[in-house]
Amino acid sequence: QSALTQPASVSGSPGQSITISCTGTSGDVGGYNFVSWYQQHPDRAPQLIIHDVNNRPSGVSHRFSGSKSGNTASLTISGLQAEDEAYYYCSSYTDSSTHVFGTGTGVTVL
Amino acid sequence: EVQLVESGGDLIQPGGSLRLSCAASGFTFVTYAMSWVRQAPGKGLEWVSGISGSGTRTFYAGSVKGRFTVSRDNSKNAVYLQMTGLRGEDTAVYFCAKGSRGTVAVAAWDSWGQGTLVAVSS
Repeated sequence: QSALTQPASVSGSPGQSITISCTGTSGDVGGYNFVSWYQQHPDRAPQLIIHDVNNRPSGVSHRFSGSKSGNTASLTISGLQAEDEAYYYCSSYTDSSTHVFGTGTGVTVL
Repeated sequence: EVQLVESGGDLIQPGGSLRLSCAASGFTFVTYAMSWVRQAPGKGLEWVSGISGSGTRTFYAGSVKGRFTVSRDNSKNAVYLQMTGLRGEDTAVYFCAKGSRGTVAVAAWDSWGQGTLVAVSS
């Protein structure tokens, strides 16, 4: 199972919105609404920020939102803040009965 | 509060075996699927294995299938990863993660431990 494809890096100024794409296939992202997103700060464990394509867990900022179109899922961070600087990973269930993560995207707040 | 504490990481020679443990607390353990996710130094996340809440269904990434075995003891609130035939490419921090549901397929991983380091080298 190949990793889902994400851009290596995305940057934006404070207050701006950025979007991170996550491209898979009909056997994973396109075939299931079990796409989730994780935020990971350096030397920390990942934290779930979006599940089931567009649902936020309790306690996660409303500035994070998710969507999906075809084989590509997207994470949008609105009102970018310094604390959003981190790595972001998408994940999807697959038709091999496994889960697969994306390649990861480093977000820089300029 | 959900707590997941991994243990068992070590420096091990290629071809060796190791058993990781994850002690869980703060939630009804049997209700939720669990997974192991690893991260090689400086690299991204890789899903390794998952087990249903009941423990009756297990799943593996192709890279570890046949070498790793996941299990759980719901009476001890613990999940394990038995690793055999270890290779250099298995070197990583191994995270234990709690599923959002009892079934691996539909779960997202909503709580994570701090990880335990497995280093495979001669």
